[in-house]
Amino acid sequence: KNQVEQSPQSLIILEGKNCTLQCNYTVSPFSNLRWYKQDTGRGPVSLTIMTFSENTKSNGRYTATLDADTKQSSLHITASQLSDSASYICVVILVSGGYNKLIFGAGTRLAVHP
Amino acid sequence: GAGVSQSPSNKVTEKGKDVELRCDPISGHTALYWYRQSLGQGLEFLIYFQGNSAPDKSGLPSDRFSAERTGGSVSTLTIQRTQQEDSAVYLCASSLGRPLPGLAGELFFGEGSRLTVL
Repeated sequence: KNQVEQSPQSLIILEGKNCTLQCNYTVSPFSNLRWYKQDTGRGPVSLTIMTFSENTKSNGRYTATLDADTKQSSLHITASQLSDSASYICVVILVSGGYNKLIFGAGTRLAVHP
Repeated sequence: GAGVSQSPSNKVTEKGKDVELRCDPISGHTALYWYRQSLGQGLEFLIYFQGNSAPDKSGLPSDRFSAERTGGSVSTLTIQRTQQEDSAVYLCASSLGRPLPGLAGELFFGEGSRLTVL
C-alpha cells in the first residue's frame, strides 16, 4: 500500500534554533518527492523537489535530503524564524494511469516561539 | 489569473442542503485536483481532472459528491444533502498537465473553501 508517514506529528522550538522533520514512504513506482509548507488558513506551497538521483537540495534555510534506498527524506530548517510556524507536508509523486498521483503525508505542525 | 481562485472562501449551510464550490485554476493548467482537509488532518484526495475529463475520481467519498469541469478551466464541486461530517476545507489545485522532467507534482493550491455544516 502506498503510504507516507511523517514524524514528529508536532514540534515546538525556540526562534533561532534548528530542527529536522522526517518522512518515510512506501510508494512505488517512485517518481519524486516534494516538501510543501502550509501556513494556517492557506493552501500548501511547494518548498523543494527531490528526484530519485538527488541526495540533498537546499532552498534558503531549508535543506531536504533523500535516501531512495531506505525510502526516507528529511527537511532541515536552519536558524528558525517565527514565520516558519506552519505545517510541513511530505508528498511522494508516482506515475499511475498515465498521470502524476500525489500521496500526501499527514504533515508535521511546527511552532516557533520567540 | 495569477493564481488559483476559489469561492466562496467560507460557507455555512444547514444539514441536508446542497452546496457548490468553485475553482478557477491558473490559466493554461490542464490538470486540476480537489482535496479535502479536515481540522488538523492531512489532505484527502477527492478527484483529478485532465482537461474536462476525470480519469481518477476514486477519492469521492459518496455519491452525494460530484464535480465537473467545463472548457478545460473552471471546476465546480457539488455536495448534495450535506452532512455534518462534510465540514472541512476544500482545496483546489492546478498544475501543468505534462510537466517538464523534474517538475512533476508541483501543484498550485488555492486558499480553500471552508465549509461548515450545522
